[in-house]
Amino acid sequence: SQQGEEDPQALSIQEGENATMNCSYKTSINNLQWYRQNSGRGLVHLILIRSNEREKHSGRLRVTLDTSKKSSSLLITASRAADTASYFCATAPTGTASKLTFGTGTRLQVTL
Amino acid sequence: EAQVTQNPRYLITVTGKKLTVTCSQNMNHEYMSWYRQDPGLGLRQIYYSMNVEVTDKGDVPEGYKVSRKEKRNFPLILESPSPNQTSLYFCASSKGLDTDTQYFGPGTRLTVL
Repeated sequence: SQQGEEDPQALSIQEGENATMNCSYKTSINNLQWYRQNSGRGLVHLILIRSNEREKHSGRLRVTLDTSKKSSSLLITASRAADTASYFCATAPTGTASKLTFGTGTRLQVTL
Repeated sequence: EAQVTQNPRYLITVTGKKLTVTCSQNMNHEYMSWYRQDPGLGLRQIYYSMNVEVTDKGDVPEGYKVSRKEKRNFPLILESPSPNQTSLYFCASSKGLDTDTQYFGPGTRLTVL
């Protein structure tokens, strides 16, 4: 089963609104990463948050991490049509054999 | 420009005809991997390589082979493709650990008839 699972699966908002996506995971992690994928293209790294961090910002992006609830959220403020994409969380579980595991993504549609 | 390149970008082939998808990175990254992306299943890792001549299976390695003879290249080989290998394939690389930020190639859309 997926380590990280995003919620909602799909989100439709109007330009200028904020978009919030959530990611839940099952095991302890070293870090959690968010990626964006425009339709049919390669994933682009957005932000990495480590297990000892609670919040991180990058431009219009805000990521929070709650290790007690094993969840993370990605907030995109003042969304634009160009933000239309799928967003994936990827978790790096603790342990020597850890590797990134991707969720199934949230598809965000920003309309004018 | 730092990038991961894949070729071909699109490929339609027939069952059983061997094919190779190339992947190359120019960032001197040690770690490289292959993923396949299918609707509803997210990205699943096929194979990964920690360094030259070091490769290992990911979550879905059946029907695939890889090699890492040079640091920059990590080709994916399908010896006898089958229709269930129709998918969107991504190569990725990272500086060191597999849990570091991943840099993805543009993808290869493969259709096996």
